[in-house]
Amino acid sequence: GEDVEQSLFLSVREGDSSVINCTYTDSSSTYLYWYKQEPGAGLQLLTYIFSNMDMKQDQRLTVLLNKKDKHLSLRIADTQTGDSAIYFCAETLPPGGYQKVTFGIGTKLQVIP
Amino acid sequence: NAGVMQNPRHLVRRRGQEARLRCSPMKGHSHVYWYRQLPEEGLKFMVYLQKENIIDESGMPKERFSAEFPKEGPSILRIQQVVRGDSAAYFCASSPGENEQFFGPGTRLTVL
Repeated sequence: GEDVEQSLFLSVREGDSSVINCTYTDSSSTYLYWYKQEPGAGLQLLTYIFSNMDMKQDQRLTVLLNKKDKHLSLRIADTQTGDSAIYFCAETLPPGGYQKVTFGIGTKLQVIP
Repeated sequence: NAGVMQNPRHLVRRRGQEARLRCSPMKGHSHVYWYRQLPEEGLKFMVYLQKENIIDESGMPKERFSAEFPKEGPSILRIQQVVRGDSAAYFCASSPGENEQFFGPGTRLTVL
C-alpha cells in the first residue's frame, strides 16, 4: 500500500477555509511537505514542516502535524479560485543524506466561485 | 536564474520506439532526481543522480530504463522499446545539495 495517503477530492466555496488531510506510515519521517500542482505544470513547493514541529503558519497556509497519529493537514484560509489545483503531501526519510521524497496520490481541490 | 528545464514537454512514441527525456538542472545544482507520475497517481521516485554517478536507482524498472547525468550537458532518462504502460508524466527535480528539490514542468510521454 501507499506510504502516504490522502483523500482524492475536496470541493469548497470561494472564501471558505479548505482543509486537506494526509496520513503517513513511517514515524522516522524527517520533513513533511505540501506541494501544489496546477494543470499541465510541475510541482510547486508550498510549505514544509520539520518532524519535531507541531504547527507552521505562512500567510494563508497553516500546517498541523500530529506525530502520534502520523497525521498532517494543510489549511488554506480564504480559499480563492486560484487555489484550485492538486495538492500533494510528501515525506522524506532518513538516512541516505539526501531528500528522497515519497508522495501521496494527491488531493484535487475544486474552488466554487 | 532559469528554473529546471525539461524537454520535450510532450513526446509521442509508438510501441517499440525509444524515448529520450532531457533535464537541465538549475544553475549550480549538481543533484538530479527523476520521478514518474502515472495517470491519477502521485509521483514515484525513480532515480537520483549526481554528476557522472547514479546514487540511487531503486525506483527504476529493471529493464528498458536507464538514466545518466554526464559531466557536461543535461541529465537524460532513456526508455527503450516503449510500451503503452510507459505513458506518464516524467518529472525531473534538482537541488544544490541535500535540501529542497526544485521541480521542472515535466515531460508528458504518450505511447501509441
